[in-house]
Amino acid sequence: GAGVSQSPSNKVTEKGKDVELRCDPISGHTALYWYRQRLGQGLEFLIYFQGNSAPDKSGLPSDRFSAERTGESVSTLTIQRTQQEDSAVYLCASSLGTTGNEQFFGPGTRLTVL
Amino acid sequence: SQKIEQNSEALNIQEGKTATLTCNYTNYSPAYLQWYRQDPGRGPVFLLLIRENEKEKRKERLKVTFDTTLKQSLFHITASQPADSATYLCALEAGATNKLIFGTGTLLAVQP
Repeated sequence: GAGVSQSPSNKVTEKGKDVELRCDPISGHTALYWYRQRLGQGLEFLIYFQGNSAPDKSGLPSDRFSAERTGESVSTLTIQRTQQEDSAVYLCASSLGTTGNEQFFGPGTRLTVL
Repeated sequence: SQKIEQNSEALNIQEGKTATLTCNYTNYSPAYLQWYRQDPGRGPVFLLLIRENEKEKRKERLKVTFDTTLKQSLFHITASQPADSATYLCALEAGATNKLIFGTGTLLAVQP
């Protein structure tokens, strides 16, 4: 079946603009995660969804970042008033939702803030 | 503070040799540890998961060990091939949410 998909694959924006990133998880996966990867760095956890609720938002770097998930499917990560330090690859992953399960990652959205 | 450390320098080995990658952590008590492979411009791909009560796990040419006393995992690729060249990430599960905390990764280059 289809894997995790993300759109857009690349996004270039000007500082101060808002951006919206989309993630389509694998069908039936109740858990969904957003991570950020800066150039040459490891992945940083941002937020976790179980179904439509977000029990762990501890990685969101500021109140400019928000995310939602609807219908236990699609999720959107919104960054308001983008800053240059927001430039990174944003990765989405999904899993079956219980601990001890592998995560399936999408290809990521490369965000560049000019 | 909590840290996950992997070899920061690239690992260069000859085809056919065994590659050994190290993951050390401090101030965590993970129930699970996972290894992923990441190719340039792509998302990570799951390789192996090992539980805290398991010492070793194997899958084809891959072997992972997990020493909770030393707080270390070793990842081995035997009979390495140029196609194994990639960045390898270790990740700990933290808490009840299956949230993964990643190391910075080790770049492996297998020379033909």
